[in-house]
Amino acid sequence: DAGVIQSPRHEVTEMGQEVTLRCKPISGHDYLFWYRQTMMRGLELLIYFNNNVPIDDSGMPEDRFSAKMPNASFSTLKIQPSEPRDSAVYFCASSLAGNYGYTFGSGTRLTVV
Amino acid sequence: AQSVTQPDIHITVSEGASLELRCNYSYGATPYLFWYVQSPGQGLQLLLKYFSGDTLVQGIKGFEAEFKRSQSSFNLRKPSVHWSDAAEYFCAARGNTGFQKLVFGTGTRLLVSP
Repeated sequence: DAGVIQSPRHEVTEMGQEVTLRCKPISGHDYLFWYRQTMMRGLELLIYFNNNVPIDDSGMPEDRFSAKMPNASFSTLKIQPSEPRDSAVYFCASSLAGNYGYTFGSGTRLTVV
Repeated sequence: AQSVTQPDIHITVSEGASLELRCNYSYGATPYLFWYVQSPGQGLQLLLKYFSGDTLVQGIKGFEAEFKRSQSSFNLRKPSVHWSDAAEYFCAARGNTGFQKLVFGTGTRLLVSP
């Protein structure tokens, strides 16, 4: 298995633009998580899905953030409009039945200028 | 509230020396415990996990961790550090019933000196 795949690896965008981050979880995993990592706040759980259904989005910072999981093999995190304070590394992770450690992707480094 | 504490923000160890990274947890019941490593520009990689049983857990890359219920600790150790071990290390925990989210510590950055 290729692991959790995220794209793009790096994204530089201008303030106000829409940004879409993508994630392909490990096949067969039934949980998917989106995290944000910054120096100031560390790792923050934004949202997680179980069997493609959003379970807890209490970590999503604002209405500008939205996440979808249209099928078991794909998820997106969208920021619209983007702001400089959204600059961070965004990680996607997946897990099987929540009983094991999560497998993380390599992350998307987002820079909003 | 459930929490994971890593008291050391940075640790510097000489190459070849032993390493111990501290982790304490606060949970009502013994949680499941994990250690992750994050190399620069990479995602988090699972080093080892503890669910129950033997309190000394072996992981990848020569790491081990010891669960001590009396101290609510799950410290990570390595007998001889290599320069390639320089990275950030995260301790994490989750409740042991049903599905519960992982709670991460703030991380410890390991620097390895020649």
